[in-house]
Order: sequence, then structure tokens, then C-alpha cells
Amino acid sequence: GENVEQHPSTLSVQEGDSAVIKCTYSDSASNYFPWYKQELGKRPQLIIDIRSNVGEKKDQRIAVTLNKTAKHFSLHITETQPEDSAVYFCACGSNYKLTFGKGTLLTVNP
Amino acid sequence: GAVVSQHPSWVICKSGTSVKIECRSLDFQATTMFWYRQFPKQSLMLMATSNEGSKATYEQGVEKDKFLINHASLTLSTLTVTSAHPEDSSFYICSARDPQLETQYFGPGTRLLVL
Repeated sequence: GENVEQHPSTLSVQEGDSAVIKCTYSDSASNYFPWYKQELGKRPQLIIDIRSNVGEKKDQRIAVTLNKTAKHFSLHITETQPEDSAVYFCACGSNYKLTFGKGTLLTVNP
Repeated sequence: GAVVSQHPSWVICKSGTSVKIECRSLDFQATTMFWYRQFPKQSLMLMATSNEGSKATYEQGVEKDKFLINHASLTLSTLTVTSAHPEDSSFYICSARDPQLETQYFGPGTRLLVL
């Protein structure tokens, strides 16, 4: 089955700096790559996703890049704010079944 | 985004009892729903895929007789934890796949504590 590796497990940045989280996957058949943000005790919220026919997607301060050849994809958050502090999960899948990374605890220090 | 509800939000029960958790898609029809389990500070682990009108597909290591799943309509899936034990205590989260957007949206989760 699919194996997803996510790095780093924790990330601390100063407000205004950029944050980058990276994931690698094993199954070349995976064609859907969403990112979720989960605040403590709450549900994961979809923040951005990308499909295999696209190399990059941007939504305001958030961007995702995908390299299918190398089987990795990354989340980029620019101009970070304290409210960006949360656990971020990458996921990938095909036929609608998702495998999640282990998560990255992002802390944005004011 | 789409709205998915889950009920109850938390439950405390005695060991040996059964607990039913409901997952509803409120503004779209979901032919496929998913049930996940999440331990503290860990990732989401897929337990099973629930398909409307057919049997659920369970992941390896998940006991289908212990975690009963029913997807009787396009907007409702239920997970029943039978004969719950303390080791079943966890955060259970459902998600529903919006077929038009081909995206999964999560419910708010159910925190189960078995005493």
C-alpha cells in the first residue's frame, strides 16, 4: 500500500517568516494530494489540494508544489501568522482513498 | 466547503457496552464515507471505507465484527463500536467524499472514553 513520509515533525518560525513542509510518497498511482490543517481537538480542515496533472497551485499565502517524478510534494506558507499554528497533515491517494502523513506541528511565534 | 456533522461529539461508556456514532453529509450526497481513528498527537488512521448500499471495506487489522459500519443512505453512515473496552478509547472521525469536488470533508469527530 501507499507509504507517506512527512518532514519535519515540528517546525517553529517567527511571525512573518515562511514555513515549508515536505512529503514523499511511494505509490506512483497516487493522483490526489491534499493538505489538511488540524487545530487541537478539532476536525482536519482542507486548506489546499493538488492533482497530478498540475505542478503547482497557490491560494493567497498558501502554495503546494508537486513533483511526480520524484514522488514528493510540499506545502509553502508565506508571511506566517500566529493563527497558522496547528498540526498540518499531507495526504495522498487514488480512487478516493487517502493515506496521511504523520503530521507537522507548526508553531508561529509572535 | 461542504458540511459534515458527527454525533455525538463525545461519549463516556462502561466497558462491554456498544456505542453508535453517526456521520452525516448535510449539503451533498456522499456515496462514499470514511472512518478514521486518531490517537493523541498521532495521525489519522483509516479504519474502513463505507459505501452506500454495500458492505464496508475494512483496512488490515481492523475487526469488522467489532466496528460495525452501516451506510444506509447517501447522507448517513454509522459506526458502532461493539463491546467497547478501554483500549477502544480514541478520537473517531468520519469524512465524506463530495463526488462533484472529489474531495473529502471531515466531521468534527467523536471522543470516546471507555471506563
